[in-house]
Amino acid sequence: EAQVTQNPRYLITVTGKKLTVTCSQNMNHEYMSWYRQDPGLGLRQIYYSMNVEVTDKGDVPEGYKVSRKEKRNFPLILESPSPNQTSLYFCASSPTVGGEQYFGPGTRLTVT
Amino acid sequence: GEDVEQSLFLSVREGDSSVINCTYTDSSSTYLYWYKQEPGAGLQLLTYIFSNMDMKQDQRLTVLLNKKDKHLSLRIADTQTGDSAIYFCAVIGDSGGYQKVTFGTGTKLQVIP
Repeated sequence: EAQVTQNPRYLITVTGKKLTVTCSQNMNHEYMSWYRQDPGLGLRQIYYSMNVEVTDKGDVPEGYKVSRKEKRNFPLILESPSPNQTSLYFCASSPTVGGEQYFGPGTRLTVT
Repeated sequence: GEDVEQSLFLSVREGDSSVINCTYTDSSSTYLYWYKQEPGAGLQLLTYIFSNMDMKQDQRLTVLLNKKDKHLSLRIADTQTGDSAIYFCAVIGDSGGYQKVTFGTGTKLQVIP
């Protein structure tokens, strides 16, 4: 089954404790992206990747890192999480930038 | 950068039509999408329209594009309770020579039985 998986689905952590949210797709898509969803602000892009070893900042990259060592995986790293990073995070992939995006189920992160 | 705006809420009665609106700023936008997000789930593509089209119909869904006013709308005919969700428009435009996707703020549709 074609899908995008994210782990964990829920995470509660404390300020400053490094964490990684994994994202994996099995559709051989080149384009992958991370978004955060906040009430009233919609979906905002954090980082995106056009292909392996090619990543770039989205609209709200501060406090986040990503890597794309393999085509299927695109982890999101929070080196020192802060409470303003409490949000719902989505990973997405698509064949191209302009194509249909396939979303993961989301990761709800709470930073206390 | 591109700005994509939507109203936050819409409430309709079951059986009525729903119209969800979206405005954008980048006139070079090439593809425009509508995604649906059901509670507790990720987004799923509902329908899309190319910028060289004015209208697209797909069963109960009608997408209208007014390029002059940079206005996109999604009409859902005979709205059902299962249509209750958040609807996002997404616009593909040019940003410094690269294609970029920008999502709107999302419209929460509430269908009253």
